[in-house]
Order: sequence, then C-alpha cells, then structure tokens
Amino acid sequence: QVQLQESGPGLVKPSETLSLTCTVSGGSFSNYYWSWIRLPPGKGLEWIGHIYTSGITNYNPSLKSRVTISLDTSKNQFSLRLTSVTAADTAVYYCARQGSNGRSFDYWGQGTLLTVSS
Amino acid sequence: DIQMTQSPSSVSASVGDRVTITCRASQAISTWLAWYQQKPGKAPKLLIFAASNLQTGVPSRFSGSGSGTDFTLTISSLQPDDFATYYCQQTNTFPRTFGQGTKLE
Repeated sequence: QVQLQESGPGLVKPSETLSLTCTVSGGSFSNYYWSWIRLPPGKGLEWIGHIYTSGITNYNPSLKSRVTISLDTSKNQFSLRLTSVTAADTAVYYCARQGSNGRSFDYWGQGTLLTVSS
Repeated sequence: DIQMTQSPSSVSASVGDRVTITCRASQAISTWLAWYQQKPGKAPKLLIFAASNLQTGVPSRFSGSGSGTDFTLTISSLQPDDFATYYCQQTNTFPRTFGQGTKLE
C-alpha cells in the first residue's frame, strides 16, 4: 500500500521561506508525477505544482514566482519550497501522487498544517 | 485557468436519499474529471476518475457522468459515512483546478 507522509515546521514567520518534505513508501517512486496541494481555511483545494521523477516540474502560475519543487530519488522524497510567505499561505498542505487513472490523485498524505504568523 | 463551478455549495439530505452534485467547467475538458470526498481533518479520497470510472474500493452507490463541460456525481442511497465535502477536479490542463466544494450535511 502506497503511503505518503508530509513533514515540516508547522509555523513560519511572514516573509520567511516554507519548506516541506513528503516521504513515499510502500510502492514505486519512479515514473509518477508527485504533487503539492493545499487547503486554506474556509476555502477550496489549490494545486501548487508537481514534479515528475525525471525532474520535470510544472507550477501553478499564481505561485510560480515563489515555488520550487525538488526530489531526492535515493530517499523516495520530494520537497516544496515557498518563499516570501504571508498569512494567505496559511493552509493544510498535502502531498499526492498523480496516478495513471485519468491523471487523478490516487494517493494522498494526511496533510500538515502550516501557519504563517509572527 | 479552467474554472470549475460546483452546485449546490451545500445540501441537506437524509440517509437513504438520492443526492446529485453538479460540476461545470469553464471550457470543454472531455472526460478529464475526477471527484473526491473529504472528511474533516482527513485527506481527500478519490472516488471517480475520468468522469465515470469508479476507483477501486469505492462503493457502487457512487457514480459519475458527463463530458465536455457538465458533470454529475450521484450517490444513489445516502449512507451515514457519506456526509462529507465533495470536490470535482479537472485533469485536462495545467494548472489543475478544483471546484469550491459541496458540503453534504
């Protein structure tokens, strides 16, 4: 059974950089697209971007200037870096796998709450 | 970006009811649509992919239909475990976008 687990600081100060890591276990890491998605309080889901295991990335234009997604295939991990955070970046952050079924997200991490506050 | 609009934003229903949620895309997406169920404090769960295909392990009371711009998710006989928020998502183009959610209560 594929499992994803997010890890990160929980609290970040405004203007600082957010860093989160997703560790994948129980299945193949290769030949999939790995995404970051967030859920701000009281709002809907927002796709942040993804990385293919070849290293090719694609970002949401609304965040593109501040986002970097990278991967470490030796550890079956991929990471999110979001610079210059504001309160609007407060959200539950999920990592997810895009499967072959209609390009949908078939496995998700449990989510980690990231609060931006001084 | 493709805008996804769900209706209604919330719906009140009872166990045993038939419930239908609609999702409209701002441009044609063929059948590149997925439906997810999310409960408070949990990750979204994939229910339907490619508009009408039931994900493995999902009860058959869930069904999806539609193509182009108009889609529906139907729960044929509501069960207590089905009270949750439901999201549609287009998987046709980037950036991937979701509907605003429909809360079933």
